[in-house]
Amino acid sequence: GAGVSQTPSNKVTEKGKYVELRCDPISGHTALYWYRQSLGQGPEFLIYFQGTGAADDSGLPNDRFFAVRPEGSVSTLKIQRTERGDSAVYLCASSLVAGGTGELFFGEGSRLTVL
Amino acid sequence: DQQVKQNSPSLSVQEGRISILNCDYTNSMFDYFLWYKKYPAEGPTFLISISSIKDKNEDGRFTVFLNKSAKHLSLHIVPSQPGDSAVYFCAAPNSGGSNYKLTFGKGTLLTVNP
Repeated sequence: GAGVSQTPSNKVTEKGKYVELRCDPISGHTALYWYRQSLGQGPEFLIYFQGTGAADDSGLPNDRFFAVRPEGSVSTLKIQRTERGDSAVYLCASSLVAGGTGELFFGEGSRLTVL
Repeated sequence: DQQVKQNSPSLSVQEGRISILNCDYTNSMFDYFLWYKKYPAEGPTFLISISSIKDKNEDGRFTVFLNKSAKHLSLHIVPSQPGDSAVYFCAAPNSGGSNYKLTFGKGTLLTVNP
């Protein structure tokens, strides 16, 4: 498809387990973003990639969270030792370039439930 | 420290009438503001934006008004349609070179009744 693709759409895991969430951005978009949306909240910024490098990871809550984008396209968000508080919808977005007028193209999200 | 605030969690209007969604902000350095719309089980989609140097931007049935002195913006939908039922988020990018980083409000659930 032409949009941002995220897999899995739903992930249920147990506390303490490791989780990977994948994002395939729109072809040609150099900027990629991860946001997290908890229940009753708006999306919150986690990390931003320009090309292959993480240009800003200031939103990652702690060192259990890590993200990569090795070839400048697909990105993987990795969560170690998951906790119940990590339960949320993880949204990936991309844009042709960073900044500009702020229009981001979001995927449908990966809903993570930590039991 | 919530820089973008949407104080109404929900709004219900009748089809054909006007919907007014409100947003307040605290950071006077925001360069522009955006509205995103989100249907259940979908990602947010961009709806309309406004530069901080303007006070109004219109796109079809959607108009955004900006009142800088009050640090307030509003989204007007006229006429409202049942398909407009969704969660609407107000957002603004950080200034100072990090304008890729959007700060979102908590959202307002709009229900348009037939």
